Amino acid sequence: QVQLVESGGGVVQPGRSLRLSCAVSGYPFRENGMHWVRQAPGKGLEWVAAISHDGSDKFYPDSVKGRFTISRDDSRNTLYLQMNSLKTEDTAVYHCSRWFGEGTKYMDVWGKGTTVTVSS
Amino acid sequence: QTVVTQEPSFSVSPGGTVTLTCGLSSGSVSTNNYPSWYQQTPGQAPRTLIYNTNTRSPGVPDRFSGSLPGNKAALTITGAQADDESDYYCLLYIHNGIWVFGGGTRLTVL
Repeated sequence: QVQLVESGGGVVQPGRSLRLSCAVSGYPFRENGMHWVRQAPGKGLEWVAAISHDGSDKFYPDSVKGRFTISRDDSRNTLYLQMNSLKTEDTAVYHCSRWFGEGTKYMDVWGKGTTVTVSS
Repeated sequence: QTVVTQEPSFSVSPGGTVTLTCGLSSGSVSTNNYPSWYQQTPGQAPRTLIYNTNTRSPGVPDRFSGSLPGNKAALTITGAQADDESDYYCLLYIHNGIWVFGGGTRLTVL
């Protein structure tokens, strides 16, 4: 079955960097775009980044644009999120999710998430 | 900045029907926003319920339905059950590769 497993979370000081990974299995990874979505403690879901199936298009909200970079390695079936210049408000559980099909605009499968804590 | 609005909380009696809505601060929701709905219980990953306004994801019971009445998207639960008690989020595609989640609705079944 389709599985998405995030890793790379941890505690980091403000201003530092962290890279998250999402290992994908159960389907041909290169056929679908992917998203990162986060959830701060006690808060709602927030879309963070998206990448097309071939990596040619990347999208970000203003809250992370210029600080976060989404990428993918199809040879490793892995999605990444490079987070630089981290702020305390980036503290959240980060989920990866599959972009069902680029003619559609929704996420159909989700990982359980990895926790990022930004604190001095 | 685009804001997607949802009721913060709602309650429904077991067996009852409830409709949650999803609006846009900047105007009306349309099919071009590709409304989708997600269910999340605390500590768990979200689960996809509805996409493209009214299409149920595989395995989702038919008591969940989506629609576009008026200027908002809506999720209706008919015959609510105890395990429907969750947080519900709508997601709208705004434009040019920008997605925005609503703030979520906490549904209580009692």
